[in-house]
Amino acid sequence: GAVVSQHPSWVICKSGTSVKIECRSLDFQATTMFWYRQFPKQSLMLMATSNEGSKATYEQGVEKDKFLINHASLTLSTLTVTSAHPEDSSFYICSGRTGVRYEQYFGPGTRLTVT
Amino acid sequence: AQKVTQAQTEISVVEKEDVTLDCVYETRDTTYYLFWYKQPPSGELVFLIRRNSFDEQNEISGRYSWNFQKSTSSFNFTITASQVVDSAVYFCALRFKAAGNKLTFGGGTRVLVKP
Repeated sequence: GAVVSQHPSWVICKSGTSVKIECRSLDFQATTMFWYRQFPKQSLMLMATSNEGSKATYEQGVEKDKFLINHASLTLSTLTVTSAHPEDSSFYICSGRTGVRYEQYFGPGTRLTVT
Repeated sequence: AQKVTQAQTEISVVEKEDVTLDCVYETRDTTYYLFWYKQPPSGELVFLIRRNSFDEQNEISGRYSWNFQKSTSSFNFTITASQVVDSAVYFCALRFKAAGNKLTFGGGTRVLVKP
C-alpha cells in the first residue's frame, strides 16, 4: 500500500504554545487529506477534511481557529494546534486519499502531550 | 444516520484459539464500503480489507476471514489460530457517499492473545 508519514512522531509542548504536525504522502498524490484525533482506548474521531488548495472542512465541535489545517500541496498537509492546553493532549493521525474510488492510507500518528 | 457498532470492547484468548469480532452497521445508502483496520500497540492503522455493498462473497486471507451478511447489516471478522502478534485493536469502518465518503469508525475491539 501507499505510504503516509507524519512528523514528529511525538511532541511535548508547554501550555499556551503552538505545535505543528506534518503529514506527507510519500508515493502518491493525496487530493484529500483527513485529520483524526484519538484519545486513549477510544476510537478515531474525524476532525477535518481538506482538499488540496482548498480550505479544510471541520467536523462539528472542532474549533477551526484552534486546529489550523493547511493542505498546500498534493503531498503535504499540516495541522497546527494553537495555544495548546493539556486537554489537547492526544494521538493525532492523518490520512490521505487520491480519489473517492481509492483507498485511504493512514500515517503512523503523532502523540502530543501538553504540559 | 450512519453508525458502526462493535459490541465487544475487549476479547482475550489463548494462542491458537479462534476469535471472531462482530461489526454491525447502519446506513440508508445502497452503495457503501466496509473496512477492517488493525491498530497494533505502535498506533499505526493497518488496512486489512475493503468490501463493497454489492459483493457479499466471504473472503479468506491466510488466517483472516470475513463474513458479510447484508441481510443483518453485519461484517464480522475471524482470526483463526490466533497468535500473540494478533494482539491489537481492530476497527470496523463504513464509508458511503451521503456522508461525504468519510470513514465512520466503530468503537474498536481490543484483542489480547495470550501465549
